[in-house]
Amino acid sequence: EVQLVESGGGLVQPGGSLRLSCAASGFTFSSHAMTWVRQSPGKGLEWVSCLAAGGVPTYYTDSVKGRFTISRDNSKNTLYLQMNALRAEDTAVYYCAKGLSGSCFAPFDYWGQGTLVPVSS
Amino acid sequence: QSALTQPRSVSGSPGQSVTISCTGTSSDVGSYNYISWYQQHPGKAPKLMVYAVSQRPSGVPDRFSGSKSGNTASLTISGLQADDEADYYCCSYAGSSTWVFGGGTKLTVL
Repeated sequence: EVQLVESGGGLVQPGGSLRLSCAASGFTFSSHAMTWVRQSPGKGLEWVSCLAAGGVPTYYTDSVKGRFTISRDNSKNTLYLQMNALRAEDTAVYYCAKGLSGSCFAPFDYWGQGTLVPVSS
Repeated sequence: QSALTQPRSVSGSPGQSVTISCTGTSSDVGSYNYISWYQQHPGKAPKLMVYAVSQRPSGVPDRFSGSKSGNTASLTISGLQADDEADYYCCSYAGSSTWVFGGGTKLTVL
């Protein structure tokens, strides 16, 4: 059974940093692209970043470029999102999602339950 | 990347069919067949219902079907059931390995 479990969320002040983790199991992690999608409270889904199966390339939505870094450790079956210079508008539930294939062309066939990141002073 | 346009809400009675539209541009929906649809129940993670315009993952009932014409994609749910009540999001590949979601549609089963 595919499982994705996010962790690392929590209250952070504007300008602060946070690292999210996503522990994966039930599939060959190293063969699939992985993606972060966020959802602001009461709002819709927003694609944030994708990392292909081999660790490169990486892709980001414009609003997080230069502030967020996606990475993965295939030996630990874990996906990460390092978030720096956080802003109030980054407040959201962050979901990790598994790609249907190793490319960031692929849709997202399994999602974790999400981790909440409130950015507030 | 601007969000794709979906109706805020649709409704239907049990057994009926409903169609949810998703309008983009020639840079996203109109250029690629990488269109997917996600179902999200309140407080839950999204679930993939349709991908590549009209393909269903294993386990998704054939009551869910997808199509595309020009810059607009559509999700049709036939034989509505109470459990279909949820938010539905379309998603399109937008080039350069980026994706754009629709604003979401709340489906109410009357």
